[in-house]
Amino acid sequence: GNSVTQMEGPVTLSEEAFLTINCTYTATGYPSLFWYVQYPGEGLQLLLKATKADDKGSNKGFEATYRKETTSFHLEKGSVQVSDSAVYFCALKSMIYNQGGKLIFGQGTELSVKP
Amino acid sequence: DGGITQSPKYLFRKEGQNVTLSCEQNLNHDAMYWYRQDPGQGLRLIYYSQIVNDFQKGDIAEGYSVSREKKESFPLTVTSAQKNPTAFYLCASGQLFSGANVLTFGAGSRLTVL
Repeated sequence: GNSVTQMEGPVTLSEEAFLTINCTYTATGYPSLFWYVQYPGEGLQLLLKATKADDKGSNKGFEATYRKETTSFHLEKGSVQVSDSAVYFCALKSMIYNQGGKLIFGQGTELSVKP
Repeated sequence: DGGITQSPKYLFRKEGQNVTLSCEQNLNHDAMYWYRQDPGQGLRLIYYSQIVNDFQKGDIAEGYSVSREKKESFPLTVTSAQKNPTAFYLCASGQLFSGANVLTFGAGSRLTVL
């Protein structure tokens, strides 16, 4: 079946450090891939997405590239800020008809950025 | 502004009680979803609905029930049969079969069993 695996957290970085959060997936067909962010006590917000192989999603300095050959969608940011502290979720959405458009999530990676 | 409204934000329940969590959307989305979030376990799908008057079980449907009488509304009932209901519940909506349209989430409801 479909699944998503993320690197475990928590991840603690100093401000302006480089961030990578690894995400790999298993899926039938050609899923769409997403990164969502969750700030404390809130719901999830879309951070970026990619709908086909080699697409690069980007937003707010974050980037992720859809790599079909390695079934990966790693999240990167060149210089993190304290305000980036949150939980990050990698997710896939199967485009197969009977999957109902639902998202399958990784377990989440908590990021803490220190000044 | 369009969005998803979940209520209540916090809810306390005694053992043996049923409780209903509300979810309303004004995005004109066809599909709606309920997820449960527990620390360190990510989000797990409880139920989803692709169209009015129809819904399907997700991965952890036992002890929960839903209805979809209107396109805008998808309430979740946590029944007394749910053995460990304390969790953060998230409702989402989206359009089907389109990678360009993503799921939009509500702010969540936190249920605590006393």
